[in-house]
Amino acid sequence: GEDVEQSLFLSVREGDSSVINCTYTDSSSTYLYWYKQEPGAGLQLLTYIFSNMDMKQDQRLTVLLNKKDKHLSLRIADTQTGDSAIYFCAAENSNSGYALNFGKGTSLLVTP
Amino acid sequence: EAQVTQNPRYLITVTGKKLTVTCSQNMNHEYMSWYRQDPGLGLRQIYYSMNVEVTDKGDVPEGYKVSRKEKRNFPLILESPSPNQTSLYFCASSTFTGGPTDTQYFGPGTRLTVL
Repeated sequence: GEDVEQSLFLSVREGDSSVINCTYTDSSSTYLYWYKQEPGAGLQLLTYIFSNMDMKQDQRLTVLLNKKDKHLSLRIADTQTGDSAIYFCAAENSNSGYALNFGKGTSLLVTP
Repeated sequence: EAQVTQNPRYLITVTGKKLTVTCSQNMNHEYMSWYRQDPGLGLRQIYYSMNVEVTDKGDVPEGYKVSRKEKRNFPLILESPSPNQTSLYFCASSTFTGGPTDTQYFGPGTRLTVL
């Protein structure tokens, strides 16, 4: 399948901004998503961006998309300890119905 | 409440003993899918279904079967489980109209251990 790559770990101090990066290979992906997984829980959609947009802001979350470089980032402003979780980048797989190709997930640890 | 439910949430079994993990959604979604999540590998799709009686293989279908006799249910069947199928399994569902409203809703996960 198509590849979605993310760094595996990120540690930030409470109050700082977190930036989680993702690259993908399927240039036909119409929508790109960020999901959050808290310990012992399923995946929860955080936000998404349409492929013809460069940026989307949703409260503390900012998604930046560089379609030319196939690079997606998620910025969390004023990171809180409750933001500690695994964050998954996902891109639509244009060859497989509505399947999403997920990255391996970035574990975000927020320290006091 | 809109939700995707899976049962059981935890299961320990032995090699070769057939098992079924059920998945049910109450949102009248056309699309349903099964993923497995393994450390260092992220989520990988096993099977998906675009509607009743329509199923197709995902990236890692070997050793699994599915059925979609009703819109709301999409059971995952392991006919002869093996230890390499020890994993965390997620069921997901979504609409099928094209766009972000097709956001996939995930179940809580089923942790399967095959001894």
